[in-house]
Amino acid sequence: GAVVSQHPSRVICKSGTSVKIECRSLDFQATTMFWYRQFPKQSLMLMATSNEGSKATYEQGVEKDKFLINHASLTLSTLTVTSAHPEDSSFYICSAADRGGTGELFFGEGSRLTVL
Amino acid sequence: GESVGLHLPTLSVQEGDNSIINCAYSNSASDYFIWYKQESGKGPQFIIDIRSNMDKRQGQRVTVLLNKTVKHLSLQIAATQPGDSAVYFCAETPNSGGYQKVTFGTGTKLQVIP
Repeated sequence: GAVVSQHPSRVICKSGTSVKIECRSLDFQATTMFWYRQFPKQSLMLMATSNEGSKATYEQGVEKDKFLINHASLTLSTLTVTSAHPEDSSFYICSAADRGGTGELFFGEGSRLTVL
Repeated sequence: GESVGLHLPTLSVQEGDNSIINCAYSNSASDYFIWYKQESGKGPQFIIDIRSNMDKRQGQRVTVLLNKTVKHLSLQIAATQPGDSAVYFCAETPNSGGYQKVTFGTGTKLQVIP
């Protein structure tokens, strides 16, 4: 089946630094990708919808200047957590829809961010 | 933000028994429902889906039931195995096109007792 890859799978950074997480669709093109955040023992919360070639659409309460999203190609979306703080520590998960297939969403394996 | 002290509901099932995981949804406009399985430290995996014009759909060892009248969804797993231990999320979306954002429910942790 279709594969969505995230990198890095784990990252530890110091408070105040910025961290970039990549989401790639490996064998299909994705016009739209979605970024989720998941705190321990909680559900996935949608942060934003990443649209190839245009600005991302952010959910209410998500700071667009804090979480920068770039969807520069049909196979890559990046999420940059700027000036990260300990409260940004979370599991970040992306998903992508196969525009050439059934439209089924495929999820990445997630990226665990720990901010010290 | 994060809620302190929040715990996922847990369902403990003996290996070989059937499991039933329930989910209530709130959006009456939702047209497409999906069950996902999430193992520790991994992303969600698709299990089974159902459209709003159906009330039951069966897969391999899994069955999803949809009751739109009371906005209730359930996942039945037959002959539960240790490998079924995970957190299960129901999810909904306005349509089945796949390009719409998916809203996840709160999740249920399934523990299979060998």
